[in-house]
Amino acid sequence: GIQVEQSPPDLILQEGANSTLRCNFSDSVNNLQWFHQNPWGQLINLFYIPSGTKQNGRLSATTVATERYSLLYISSSQTTDSGVYFCAVEYVNRDDKIIFGKGTRLHILP
Amino acid sequence: DGGITQSPKYLFRKEGQNVTLSCEQNLNHDAMYWYRQDPGQGLRLIYYSQIVNDFQKGDIAEGYSVSREKKESFPLTVTSAQKNPTAFYLCASTNPRDRGGEKLFFGSGTQLSVL
Repeated sequence: GIQVEQSPPDLILQEGANSTLRCNFSDSVNNLQWFHQNPWGQLINLFYIPSGTKQNGRLSATTVATERYSLLYISSSQTTDSGVYFCAVEYVNRDDKIIFGKGTRLHILP
Repeated sequence: DGGITQSPKYLFRKEGQNVTLSCEQNLNHDAMYWYRQDPGQGLRLIYYSQIVNDFQKGDIAEGYSVSREKKESFPLTVTSAQKNPTAFYLCASTNPRDRGGEKLFFGSGTQLSVL
């Protein structure tokens, strides 16, 4: 079936560390986005990245569409990076249905 | 400012009661979505609508109903048939024809609890 799998499910790091979050998907995609959910539940767009590489400050993302995965990199982690990171995918020919992975819960220790 | 407004922020439901969650957007987006999030879990799709007067069931539509009479509005009704409605509900919108840039925008959510 249609799947979006994220790993690891949980990650605890010391402030200043780097991290890599992974999103695997099971079919060709029109769209892939990374979101950060803050402690108040608000989902914030990080990247729209169906293919290629993008960078925004300490965050960057790479999607290799042919191998059906995307990576989110966080460098020099800060406590404000804590929260849940979601990958969301819109598959080709799926009538604009957008499916989320279960997320990676990141906790940055001071 | 353009955005998505969900109301109320907190909602309590009594047994056997139907409740309606509001979602309004002024982004001129064609498509709107409702997701349910349980504690420590991801987002599961309840219903989505690609255009006015049309909507499709998502993965967990049972016990929910929606309408899309106006482009700006996509209310979600949690019916008495939904036996476990306590969850965080998120509304989102997008323009499927807008390729590139930020695509899916979210409201701030409604926390529904059962009394």
